[in-house]
Formats: sequence, structure tokens, C-alpha cells
Amino acid sequence: AQSVTQPDIHITVSEGASLELRCNYSYGATPYLFWYVQSPGQGLQLLLKYFSGDTLVQGIKGFEAEFKRSQSSFNLRKPSVHWSDAAEYFCAVGAGGYNKLIFGAGTRLAVHP
Amino acid sequence: EAGVVQSPRYKIIEKKQPVAFWCNPISGHNTLYWYLQNLGQGPELLIRYENEEAVDDSQLPKDRFSAERLKGVDSTLKIQPAELGDSAVYLCASSEPGGPLHFGNGTRLTVT
Repeated sequence: AQSVTQPDIHITVSEGASLELRCNYSYGATPYLFWYVQSPGQGLQLLLKYFSGDTLVQGIKGFEAEFKRSQSSFNLRKPSVHWSDAAEYFCAVGAGGYNKLIFGAGTRLAVHP
Repeated sequence: EAGVVQSPRYKIIEKKQPVAFWCNPISGHNTLYWYLQNLGQGPELLIRYENEEAVDDSQLPKDRFSAERLKGVDSTLKIQPAELGDSAVYLCASSEPGGPLHFGNGTRLTVT
């Protein structure tokens, strides 16, 4: 069965510092992988996706993620965090695209000035 | 472009009462999803529509939950009767075929 694990429930970083959010997945075939961001009281916004090809994918707002098949991971990174990045981040795996996404429990990011 | 619109934003009801949520997807989006998001958790798919057909409702608790998408545009999700454990955020999303999901802001349900 598909599953997604986000090991960190809360992360706090200083503004300007680098960020890495961890995501591990379980899926029998080549996964479709996604990162979404959710600000308080808002819906989810797609940051980036991996379907195939280059394992380093670029997304919106300066985020990137790297797919590592050997580690079953799809970690999200940003070189310099802004205060506006404070939100909840969800990793998701999909069977055959977007139709049935399995989300992780999320990582809440706090940014200190 | 208008986004996915959900109403109401908040709803407080007593247990055993019925409740309904409404979703208006982005114009032209044939695929519509209802997700349930419990506190501190990621969203879970309840049902997916392709036009007016429910193509995946395997996670919808059919004893108390129902959904419809008449005319393949707006959709309504209903709970009858509501239980305390139904307190959560109900998210609607829509997409073009094979395209990324666009989420609404959700309806936060509190059952007392």
C-alpha cells in the first residue's frame, strides 16, 4: 500500500537560513511525487511535482526537491527562507498522476526573524 | 481566473444533525474532488468525480455521507447524521483531465 512519512512535525528556522523538509514514501512502482503548501485557513497550493526524468525538480517560490529512489525520499529544499514561507508543507504520492493522492501528515514550518 | 469556491467557511452543528457543504469548481475543470482533513493530518480523498460521474468513492463512508454533482459543475457533500468525529476541514479541489489539483479554502466543521 502507498504511504508517505514526514518525520518532522514542526521545524523552526531563522529567516535567511536554508531549509530541508524530509519526505519518505512507500510505493511499489515508479511514484508520482508532490509537495504542497498550506497557509492557515487556506487550501493547498502545489509547489512542485516529480513524474519522471531529472531527479532534481524546481518549483515555485524558490523551492526544489530531489527524488532519491534508493532512499525512497523526496526532500524539499530552499536555500534561503523568507518569513512568508511559514506554513504547513505536505508531501504526497500519487498512483498514475493526480487522481488519488496519498498525503503525509505535514510539517509545520515556523520562521524566526 | 476565479478559484475553487467553497461555502460555508465555517459550520457548527450539534451531533445527529445534518450538514451540507457546497463547492463551485474552476470553470472548465471536469474533475472534482472532495478531501477530508483532520486536525494535524494531511488530506484524505473522499470522492472523485469526472463530470457528473463518481469514479472513485471507495473512501466515502456511505452510511452517513453522500455527494452529488448534478450537471457536472457544482457539487454538494452531505453528512447525515453528523457525529463528533466528523469535526474536520472538508476540502474541495478541481482539475483539468490529468492536470494539477486546485484547492478551495475548505469548510471547517465543528460538531458539538
